[in-house]
Formats: sequence, C-alpha cells, structure tokens
Amino acid sequence: DIQLTQSPSFLSASVGDRVTITCRASQGISTYLAWYQQKPGKAPKVLIYAASTLQSGVPSRFSGSGSGTEFTLTINSLQPEDFATYFCQQLNSYPVTFGGGTKVEIK
Amino acid sequence: EVQLVESGGGLAQPGGSLRLSCVVSGFTFSDHYMDWVRQAPGKGLEWVGRSRNKANSYTTEYPASVKGRFTISRDDSKNSLYLQMNSLKTEDTAVYYCARDRVGAPAFDMWGQGTMVTVSS
Repeated sequence: DIQLTQSPSFLSASVGDRVTITCRASQGISTYLAWYQQKPGKAPKVLIYAASTLQSGVPSRFSGSGSGTEFTLTINSLQPEDFATYFCQQLNSYPVTFGGGTKVEIK
Repeated sequence: EVQLVESGGGLAQPGGSLRLSCVVSGFTFSDHYMDWVRQAPGKGLEWVGRSRNKANSYTTEYPASVKGRFTISRDDSKNSLYLQMNSLKTEDTAVYYCARDRVGAPAFDMWGQGTMVTVSS
C-alpha cells in the first residue's frame, strides 16, 4: 500500500497568512493526488485534483503542486472560513489511501 | 443539484450485518464510478471500496481491511449504491460516506452527508 505522510499534522496560523502543507508518498504516484478540506461534522470537499488542478468553485487562493512523491497545498492569505482539516489522497493505485490530515487552527 | 444521501446506519453487534444505501440525484449515476469512505470518531479518512460503472462491468475494489466482509453493489435504475457489511467488528465503527468519482482525472468530487455505524455489544 502507498503511505501518505502529511506535515505538519497541526498548524496554528493567522488570517492573512500563507500556509503550506506537505504530503509525501511512499512511492511515486505521478500526479494522481487530490486535496480535500473537511470542517467538523461535514463531509470532505475536494479542493485540488491531479496535484495542481483547482476544482471548479474553489477560491484561487488555494493551489497545489508536485509530482512523484512530494506534493504541497498552499493557501495564500488564509481566510476565517479556511480553518479546517486538510487531507491528501492518492488515486494512483489500489488501495486508495489518504494522508493523516493537517488541522489548521486560528492563532 | 447534485445530491448523495446515505441511510441505513445504526447500531450493530460484533459479528452482525448492516446494509447502507446511497441514493443520488442530479447527475447520470450510471456514468460514474462510486466509492465508500469511512471516518472513525476523531480519526482520518479510510477508503472502503469502489464500484466501477456499467461500461466497466460494475467491477469492484476493496482494501484488505474489509475484503471478504463488505460488498458494494449498485442499481442504476434506482440511482442507488449499496454497502453490505457482514462480520462487523468494533473497529468498523465510523461515519460512512458515499462519494462520486470525477469523470476524467480522478478525485471524489461529490460526497454524501454520511451515516453513522456503531458496532458494539
């Protein structure tokens, strides 16, 4: 199975900050990576797919990059509604796996 | 409007069974692969399995953690996806989500609200 390691697992940031979350895969997954945002009590919502393609309707302050084994999700100018938990997901091979999550909290 | 609505969750005993349903609307269900994902209380996301579409013979995939115990099926005429869960274990306790696969570059682009399954004696 492909392991996805997210870092950090927790970060504290202020409104307006630029935030970067990293996802490392245990083996190469090309660009078969997606990023999700989840708020408490809600289903996840896709932000980015194919490592760097912004899902329709997602604000442009979100961006993704990377290929192979290292990927990043960047949030430019963090907004109050962005405080949530973020997960990466690989869809290169079965089983589909998720990273452990990064909780972004208000400083 | 695209909607996915899960039902069938509840309390089950270890070793017991439960069948979850996911009824969808607002899109052509038969075109899409569909997945189940679960989330144990306070934990991360775990993929539970996939149903491919009719064009791909409705074949399924499962992770080792549920293979042989869980079965995914679908009825395109009813716009419905199912998860039959047998031989339940306490570690199957989670919120279960159904999710739609994007056509094209893969990702889960629509999710239901989830249904809670508790396995306890």
